[in-house]
Amino acid sequence: GESVGLHLPTLSVQEGDNSIINCAYSNSASDYFIWYKQESGKGPQFIIDIRSNMDKRQGQRVTVLLNKTVKHLSLQIAATQPGDSAVYFCAEASNTGKLIFGQGTTLQVKP
Amino acid sequence: EAGVVQSPRYKIIEKKQPVAFWCNPISGHNTLYWYLQNLGQGPELLIRYENEEAVDDSQLPKDRFSAERLKGVDSTLKIQPAELGDSAVYLCASSAGTRLTQYFGPGTRLTVL
Repeated sequence: GESVGLHLPTLSVQEGDNSIINCAYSNSASDYFIWYKQESGKGPQFIIDIRSNMDKRQGQRVTVLLNKTVKHLSLQIAATQPGDSAVYFCAEASNTGKLIFGQGTTLQVKP
Repeated sequence: EAGVVQSPRYKIIEKKQPVAFWCNPISGHNTLYWYLQNLGQGPELLIRYENEEAVDDSQLPKDRFSAERLKGVDSTLKIQPAELGDSAVYLCASSAGTRLTQYFGPGTRLTVL
C-alpha cells in the first residue's frame, strides 16, 4: 500500500546548527506534500507545503526540497532553536485529498 | 482567527462505555476530517466530510464508531462501546477545500481502562 516514511526516528542537533529531516514517499503519482510539526500534547501544526511542479520552497527559516526522481522530501531548518524541538511529520496527499503521514522524526535541540 | 476547537481535551472511561468527541472547524472551512493518532505514530484518517456529507469513511470501524456533521459545521465522533485498543488521540482537522492545507485541532486524548 501507499506509505510515507522518514529515515530517522530521532535527530539531535546543537542549537544554532542547521537541521535536515528526510522523508521518502512511495506513490509517484502524489503531487502535494506537507510538513507538520507536533509538540507534546498538541495537534500537528502546518509548517510548509510543496506541490510536485516545484523542487524547492522556502519559508521563514525552513526550506522544503522535493526530489521526484528518487521520491524524496526533506525539511531544512536554519539556525535551529530550542523551540524547534518537536516531532516532525511529512505527509503525502492523494488525489482525493487524503493525507498519508509518515512515522515522524523527533528533533532534539541541545543548548 | 480561531483555530480548530476540540473538546474535551482528555477523557478517561471504562471499557464498554460510550464516549463522544466534539469538533468546531475553522470558520468557512467546508472540509472536516477526523484522525486517529496512536502513540509514536502519524495520524490516520477515520472520516472526511465535505459540508455535511461523509465522502470518505472507509477507515471508520462502523461497528462501534459513528460520526455526524448535521449542519455542515460542527462534528461529533462517537464510540460505543469503547474498547481498550481505542485509547489514542483523536484529532480533528479542517480545510477550505479538498487538497488544500489541513489545520489540526489540539486533539482529545482518550484513555480506556
